[in-house]
Amino acid sequence: QQQVKQSPQSLIVQKGGISIINCAYENTAFDYFPWYQQFPGKGPALLIAIRPDVSEKKEGRFTISFNKSAKQFSLHIMDSQPGDSATYFCAARRSGTASKLTFGTGTRLQVTL
Amino acid sequence: DAMVIQNPRYQVTQFGKPVTLSCSQTLNHNVMYWYQQKSSQAPKLLFHYYDKDFNNEADTPDNFQSRRPNTSFCFLDIRSPGLGDAAMYLCATSKHRDREDEQYFGPGTRLTVT
Repeated sequence: QQQVKQSPQSLIVQKGGISIINCAYENTAFDYFPWYQQFPGKGPALLIAIRPDVSEKKEGRFTISFNKSAKQFSLHIMDSQPGDSATYFCAARRSGTASKLTFGTGTRLQVTL
Repeated sequence: DAMVIQNPRYQVTQFGKPVTLSCSQTLNHNVMYWYQQKSSQAPKLLFHYYDKDFNNEADTPDNFQSRRPNTSFCFLDIRSPGLGDAAMYLCATSKHRDREDEQYFGPGTRLTVT
């Protein structure tokens, strides 16, 4: 119930293309869904986050789509760039759990020229 | 720049030899977390401090301990490292605990157990 399932495990996208990473959860008590970006040798950094009362959030080239009924959310990276090559983790948290984040298993994105 | 600093970045220890990893922060955040991240896996929360209040995850082995002597510093002690404890250890901080406050991660310490 506490798991967040993430797919694909790895993704190769051409420069300028759209990268799509999907996550699914079971626990309906989750109420905050952040995405983290991690470059090799660095710690994860918050990229964008959404609450379940909205279906979409966009920040620059990054968009989260959220489907509450399906218990799924996804990250879309528009106009993908080689600098976007990193590992992306979705995560989920529920209120009252002292900010404990449950992470997905990660997606390694490679954007080719 | 305010940040989360971890030392050392790479640590090699022998099987069974105690090791301490260090984290410091200049953000003046109330909460400090320790995560374990094994190769190609998601970060897994070990425990966190809210000020001086220590909160252990139920599945964190007793082999892992932590100390927070002051607001800025937090230590991860592994009393008897096993080969399975080889991982990246990430320290993170947040201003508050029960809100959507961003967690700021340090660069991690990669632990090798020989």
